[in-house]
Amino acid sequence: GAVVSQHPSRVICKSGTSVKIECRSLDFQATTMFWYRQFPKQSLMLMATSNEGSKATYEQGVEKDKFLINHASLTLSTLTVTSAHPEDSSFYICSARRTVGFQETQYFGPGTRLLVL
Amino acid sequence: LAKTTQPISMDSYEGQEVNITCSHNNIATNDYITWYQQFPSQGPRFIIQGYKTKVTNEVASLFIPADRKSSTLSLPRVSLSDTAVYYCLVGGTYSSASKIIFGSGTRLSIRP
Repeated sequence: GAVVSQHPSRVICKSGTSVKIECRSLDFQATTMFWYRQFPKQSLMLMATSNEGSKATYEQGVEKDKFLINHASLTLSTLTVTSAHPEDSSFYICSARRTVGFQETQYFGPGTRLLVL
Repeated sequence: LAKTTQPISMDSYEGQEVNITCSHNNIATNDYITWYQQFPSQGPRFIIQGYKTKVTNEVASLFIPADRKSSTLSLPRVSLSDTAVYYCLVGGTYSSASKIIFGSGTRLSIRP
């Protein structure tokens, strides 16, 4: 199956600092990746769509200056949480879309647990 | 984007067959149906994907009626390790605008 990795798996940082999370598709190329956030006992919430070589598309209510997304290659997208605050503490999950013919399938990374103190 | 409706939770016992049904009345012609499994503090894991009729792999079967307004994930002979949240999603057509929106999922609990 298709493999997507995330790094780091967990991070603890002080309030006001920035944190970068990497998402990599290991065995396929992905022109499109997605970033989700998940709070305890809740479903995944789509934050933004990351497009290789172009600007990310953010969902309503997600601050683009707060959550910087860079999709510099066909296998790597990064999410930077800038000036993190305790309310940004969450489980961040990325996915990469693999296209085979007309069929698309999203494969998810293992997630990154962010704790802002 | 098609909205999906699933039962919030289900309980079953080891060795039983579990069927989880998902409603997606507004599914588009080109949409696929995909099921994911998620354990706590992990990313969703792809289980199965289909377009119509029946799809089977080593893990599960997916039944899709002719009108495609619903689908049923079938897990044969479940074990305790199948306790997880299962998400039904529709989408995945060849479009740069397509994206998957998660519903609430079904929390499946397997008992000994």
